[in-house]
Amino acid sequence: DQQVKQNSPSLSVQEGRISILNCDYTNSMFDYFLWYKKYPAEGPTFLISISSIKDKNEDGRFTVFLNKSAKHLSLHIVPSQPGDSAVYFCAAVHGGYQKVTFGTGTKLQVIP
Amino acid sequence: DAGVIQSPRHEVTEMGQEVTLRCKPISGHNSLFWYRQTMMRGLELLIYFNNNVPIDDSGMPEDRFSAKMPNASFSTLKIQPSEPRDSAVYFCASSVSAEAGEQYFGPGTRLTVT
Repeated sequence: DQQVKQNSPSLSVQEGRISILNCDYTNSMFDYFLWYKKYPAEGPTFLISISSIKDKNEDGRFTVFLNKSAKHLSLHIVPSQPGDSAVYFCAAVHGGYQKVTFGTGTKLQVIP
Repeated sequence: DAGVIQSPRHEVTEMGQEVTLRCKPISGHNSLFWYRQTMMRGLELLIYFNNNVPIDDSGMPEDRFSAKMPNASFSTLKIQPSEPRDSAVYFCASSVSAEAGEQYFGPGTRLTVT
């Protein structure tokens, strides 16, 4: 049972354009959401997060949007750069627990 | 800061052999996590420790897997006996308990069981 779903395994975007990565979740107990970025042969690195009491969080070129009623979140990268090419994992946490549930990832390719 | 250190980076072993993966968390972090990444299942949490105590091992696939954290600076994940289906990348991560979800990952150990 995949509680965090990333239905697009891959995405290609032109440099300078917006990249939108989507994520859906099923567990209404989740109250904190994160995005991680992973380059080949490296571990994932934390990118940005959002609490369930907010609907938007912005950090430079990266913005995460949360729609609780739809159980959906998205990561916007604008403008996209070739160095953004990586696998992006959506993740969720509930309650005071440290246990993080990850999605299966979306591979983003930014074409110069 | 050296980050989370994992060893070995690559391990190739034959079915039936014992495999031990090692992890050194970031100094000052009091939570440690072991994950397995496969193409089919993505990143799965196997077990996590808080202050060296195992908190949740519900992700450990079966009794062949065991994990220990004898002190705050070292953890092991052991597979005995190993099977080809254990082939995957195993990640260790650490965090400060108060920072929900923000974990620092090591580079991973790629395990191949033939």
